Amino acid sequence: SQTIHQWPATLVQPVGSPLSLECTVEGTSNPNLYWYRQAAGRGLQLLFYSIGIDQISSEVPQNLSASRPQDRQFILSSKKLLLSDSGFYLCAWRGQGLSREQYFGPGTRLTVT
Amino acid sequence: LAKTTQPISMDSYEGQEVNITCSHNNIATNDYITWYQQFPSQGPRFIIQGYKTKVTNEVASLFIPADRKSSTLSLPRVSLSDTAVYYCLVGDNGFGGSQGNLIFGKGTKLSVKP
Repeated sequence: SQTIHQWPATLVQPVGSPLSLECTVEGTSNPNLYWYRQAAGRGLQLLFYSIGIDQISSEVPQNLSASRPQDRQFILSSKKLLLSDSGFYLCAWRGQGLSREQYFGPGTRLTVT
Repeated sequence: LAKTTQPISMDSYEGQEVNITCSHNNIATNDYITWYQQFPSQGPRFIIQGYKTKVTNEVASLFIPADRKSSTLSLPRVSLSDTAVYYCLVGDNGFGGSQGNLIFGKGTKLSVKP
């Protein structure tokens, strides 16, 4: 069966510090991968999606970046965090072909102070 | 991607049937209608998906009228554990070249009371 991991679960970082969130998927190959952010009391915002290694598309301009160095690894990064980067970050995957569901990871709660 | 409109919140009591309606007037021919459930501090979880008429699974039913401009998620006999945010989304699942990206709104916050 497929499993999606995210770490860390919670993170408190000062403004201006770097960020690295990691997501890995097990039990599937060549998945579509997604990064979402959910600010307090708001819906999920799609940040990045990837259809393959080193193939990243950004949905919203921001000070965040994403990388996919391996087929089942998706990394969200920032060189300098802003207060507005606080939120709940979710990684998700979707299979190729006829699969229609997206499967979400447990999320990372980021607080920028 | 088609925009959706759904109530911000709903209240219900245990044992009742809950119907949450979503409007999607600009739904495209290739779009499917999908509902997700999200508990606090967790990622959304797929509930049900349909294209037209009625779809039923072990947790919910989805009713879609012929014009497909709206849909209704029906939760039979809700319990306290059904308290969550429910999202309605429309999209072509990637078959129309959109990579299956999901656009989430604010959802409907369902509160089930004893």
